[in-house]
Amino acid sequence: QVTLRESGPALVKPTQTLTLTCSFSGFSLNTSGVCVSWIRQPPGKALEWLALIDWEEETEYSTFLRTRLTISKDTSKNQVVLTMTDMDPVDTATYYCARIFDSAAFDFWGRGTLVTVSS
Amino acid sequence: EIVMTQSPATLSLSPGERATLSCRASQSVGTTLAWYQQKPGQAPRLLIYATSTRATGVPARFSGSASGTEFTLTISSLQSEDFAVYYCQQYNNWPLTFGGGTKVEIE
Repeated sequence: QVTLRESGPALVKPTQTLTLTCSFSGFSLNTSGVCVSWIRQPPGKALEWLALIDWEEETEYSTFLRTRLTISKDTSKNQVVLTMTDMDPVDTATYYCARIFDSAAFDFWGRGTLVTVSS
Repeated sequence: EIVMTQSPATLSLSPGERATLSCRASQSVGTTLAWYQQKPGQAPRLLIYATSTRATGVPARFSGSASGTEFTLTISSLQSEDFAVYYCQQYNNWPLTFGGGTKVEIE
């Protein structure tokens, strides 16, 4: 059974760095074709893809946010970590992690974690 | 970046009616197009991938098709549980991109 769960702070201050962890089970990020991605959704708005890491530790980032994002994995812990620097109120959103298998779509999603940026 | 444009923004229909949702890509994405359903307070759920392949457990009333860069999600007969927001997403090019969503609401 594949599951993913996001964790991290619910509230961060402007200019701070956000660190989010995606803990997963039911699959391995060592398996060929497996990737984990982060996607966010501001309240009442559309989904926005942020970053991805694959089984070979190759990474891809959103064009507009690449200078602020870092994605990494800890295979032994079955975790993927996303850091986003210089947080701003416009970054307030629900942040999801999701799996991709075999170059396909996001087949499994976590429940998401709401992050509010406010002083 | 490939821009995905969904229309209409809102679709007001009654249960039992047919729903047709559109998604246009700004350039070719081949068949690497997925559709997701999202209900309030929930994560998106994969419905369709590779343009027309239903994900596991998705009812047969959901179908996907394409003509060039125009993609369509059809719900043949709306059930009460189908009223939700639907997103398309291309996974042919980096960065991955989503459409703005279509809300299917009860008329």
